[in-house]
Amino acid sequence: NAGVTQTPKFQVLKTGQSMTLQCAQDMNHEYMSWYRQDPGMGLRLIHYSVGAGITDQGEVPNGYNVSRSTTEDFPLRLLSAAPSQTSVYFCASSYRASGVNEQFFGPGTRLTVL
Amino acid sequence: GNSVTQMEGPVTLSEEAFLTINCTYTATGYPSLFWYVQYPGEGLQLLLKATKADDKGSNKGFEATYRKETTSFHLEKGSVQVSDSAVYFCALSDGDYGQNFVFGPGTRLSVLP
Repeated sequence: NAGVTQTPKFQVLKTGQSMTLQCAQDMNHEYMSWYRQDPGMGLRLIHYSVGAGITDQGEVPNGYNVSRSTTEDFPLRLLSAAPSQTSVYFCASSYRASGVNEQFFGPGTRLTVL
Repeated sequence: GNSVTQMEGPVTLSEEAFLTINCTYTATGYPSLFWYVQYPGEGLQLLLKATKADDKGSNKGFEATYRKETTSFHLEKGSVQVSDSAVYFCALSDGDYGQNFVFGPGTRLSVLP
């Protein structure tokens, strides 16, 4: 299994540009999520999905859109990039198991917005 | 809401020293508790976990005990190695799917030879 994969690894955008960060998992996990990691702030949840066709907002959803058309894929879209979105983005997935919600993380995408 | 507090560091130790990274949490229910580790340039990996009070999670020489009375989940290792240098995150989850995953700010550990 490849686990959770993310592309690209690095990206530089200009203010106002749009782009999509890709995330895929091959573990048949129901739950997928996107986080951003900023210095001194840990990881903050952007959006999550509990299954195909179902998405919801996390702690910091503004400026980001998601969709979940398949179990495997959960892309994150930046419609109009802003310097405040410079961050490292992690995708994660997990299965639903009573009492255990371990998440598996991708390697991350480092995004710089100029 | 739920929250996790941990010492932010950085923590610098010599090889074979004893490690403690403190973690306390606030939660309304009975969350599962986790320690994740992030090596340079990589994503987060689960280090250990505990799902109920008094459970002890352990892996690679690291241990942490779920203490409900003190709402704590401190990470310990008896003898650290240079290869343990990384950022360590304490986290909790109280949702069915993990949508209520909350991370601490992370503690950077550097181990010197």
